[in-house]
Amino acid sequence: DVVLTQTPVSLLISLGGQASISCRSSQSLVHSNGNTYLHWYLQKPGQSPQLLIYQVSNRFSGIPDRFSGSGSGTDFTLKISRVEPEDLGVYYCLQRTHNPRTFGGGTKLELK
Amino acid sequence: QVKLLQSGAALVKPGASVKMSCKASGYTFTDYWVSWVKQSHGKSLEWIGEIYPNSGATNFNEKFKGKATLTVDKSTSTAYMELSRLTSEDSAIYYCTRGGPGAYWGQGTLVTVSS
Repeated sequence: DVVLTQTPVSLLISLGGQASISCRSSQSLVHSNGNTYLHWYLQKPGQSPQLLIYQVSNRFSGIPDRFSGSGSGTDFTLKISRVEPEDLGVYYCLQRTHNPRTFGGGTKLELK
Repeated sequence: QVKLLQSGAALVKPGASVKMSCKASGYTFTDYWVSWVKQSHGKSLEWIGEIYPNSGATNFNEKFKGKATLTVDKSTSTAYMELSRLTSEDSAIYYCTRGGPGAYWGQGTLVTVSS
């Protein structure tokens, strides 16, 4: 199975600050069709995960441009600029290139 | 708007089975895969498998083959997951999510396995 390693495990950020989360894959996530199916989610306390970024760098509908995704191959990054209180929670990456689909272990974003 | 409404929490005995539902609305049910995801308490997410309502085709995580059975009822736009031979390791929240990047998730069904 593809292993997604997220770092850091937890992140203390001041309001208005910038956060960066890494997701490294044990295999290339480039599909045979040329697409890269690496997505990012935020799970707020007591809620279901919500999609932030799909296919590496595409913001889902309604997601503010403070969130950006980048990367290629096996190395991916989610950046959150100007952190707001509603950004707090656990962030997960997910790969849907290979079976089985696998999630990263999560990164908890907390306020400093 | 797109909604996935899951069935309520279940308390089940070890060795028993549980069947949970995920009712879709706001889109054409047969056009999208429905995936199921497990979240054990305080832990990360595990992908169980997915089903394509139009054909009934399924795709499973090997780990959950024999544990989970996925079905759909196209007439009610509802997907089902049945978990069998339950143990304490199956206690978790189970989510359904619309396929592709998983843009839409149900609210989750809490399953507690206890005697």
